[in-house]
Parts: sequence; C-alpha cells; structure tokens
Amino acid sequence: AQSVAQPEDQVNVAEGNPLTVKCTYSVSGNPYLFWYVQYPNRGLQFLLKYITGDNLVKGSYGFEAEFNKSQTSFHLKKPSALVSDSALYFCAVRDSGGGADGLTFGKGTHLIIQP
Amino acid sequence: DTAVSQTPKYLVTQMGNDKSIKCEQNLGHDTMYWYKQDSKKFLKIMFSYNNKELIINETVPNRFSPKSPDKAHLNLHINSLELGDSAVYFCASSQGQWGEKLFFGSGTQLSVL
Repeated sequence: AQSVAQPEDQVNVAEGNPLTVKCTYSVSGNPYLFWYVQYPNRGLQFLLKYITGDNLVKGSYGFEAEFNKSQTSFHLKKPSALVSDSALYFCAVRDSGGGADGLTFGKGTHLIIQP
Repeated sequence: DTAVSQTPKYLVTQMGNDKSIKCEQNLGHDTMYWYKQDSKKFLKIMFSYNNKELIINETVPNRFSPKSPDKAHLNLHINSLELGDSAVYFCASSQGQWGEKLFFGSGTQLSVL
C-alpha cells in the first residue's frame, strides 16, 4: 500500500519569507511524487512533479520541491512567499509500478501568508 | 473554454433521492476520475475510467455508479442518497491512466438533508 503524510495542518509564514510545506511518503517501489494546490471553492491545480532525474524539481508560481530518497520526503518550498500563495496544498504519490491504488493524496496543509 | 467542467456546482437534496452529477472534459484526455473530498478536505479516489477499463475503489458503495456516454464525459449517478454522502465531488481527467498530471473540475458541493 502507498501513503502520504503531511504532518502540519497549517503553516503560517510572513510575506517575503521562505516557506516550506512538508511531505513524506511510503511506497513499495519507486515513487512518483506530486504537489497540487487548491484555492477556495476551486478544484486542485497541478504545481509540480518528480518522476526521475534531478532531485530538485521546479514548478509553477516559483515553487520547487526536493526529493530525498533516504528520508522519503518531498517538501515543497518557495524562497519568498506571497500573500496570494495562501491556499490548501496537497502532496500526492503513486508507485511507479502502477496498480489500482492510483494516486494517493495527503490530507492537505493550509498555507497562510501574512502581510 | 473550461478544460474540465462539472454541473451542478451545488446540489441540495433529501435523503433517499437519486441524483446525477455531470462532467465533461475538452482536453482530449482518455482517462477520467471521480474524487470525493470530505468536510476535513481529505481527498479520496472513487473511480477511474477510460474506454477500456473501470477501476472502482472497493470502499465506494454500489449506490454510486459512473456512466460514460463517450470519452469526453463521465457522469456520476448516486442512488438512495444518505447523509454521509454530503461532500464535494471532483471530476478530473488525464492523458493515460494514472497520468502524471490531473486536471480537476471546480467541484460539486452535495448536501443531503
């Protein structure tokens, strides 16, 4: 079985400061990892993914994430937070070997950027 | 020009009723999905479907059934609605099954009274 843990329900950051949203995962094979963002009353939007290759992945809106195999982590980062980054962020994983489990999402982390 | 559209946006109904939620994608994708998001924002896959295969999450009650008239549409039909069915339901699509990038609709908020 595959799973994702987002240990923080909420992260508060001052505008202009760096932000990190944490994610750890568990899969039996190699992971495919994703971050999605959800704004109020909207569907999820794709931010970035790690499939293979460089451990540092760059995505939309200046976000990036670092794949760390030894720590089974895929934390989302941004060097300088904007108020408009305030939203609900989901980490997701699936096993590269496929299977009926498909894509498993974490429970989400509310990111609040304070002016 | 919305990529994945679902209707209605809000659905309020009584227990025991039967209702449907419609979903259409204009991206030319071959796989569509239904997800359920509960009040705590937990997101869970219900179905994935392409023109060859339907995969059902075993925890989904058989009161829920996906219906796909064609590759661009995947509707969700729910029989005998229960209070616990209240949630936000999201349709999504991708190219290829469990494709890397999912495109989500804006959701249907279902309230069962």
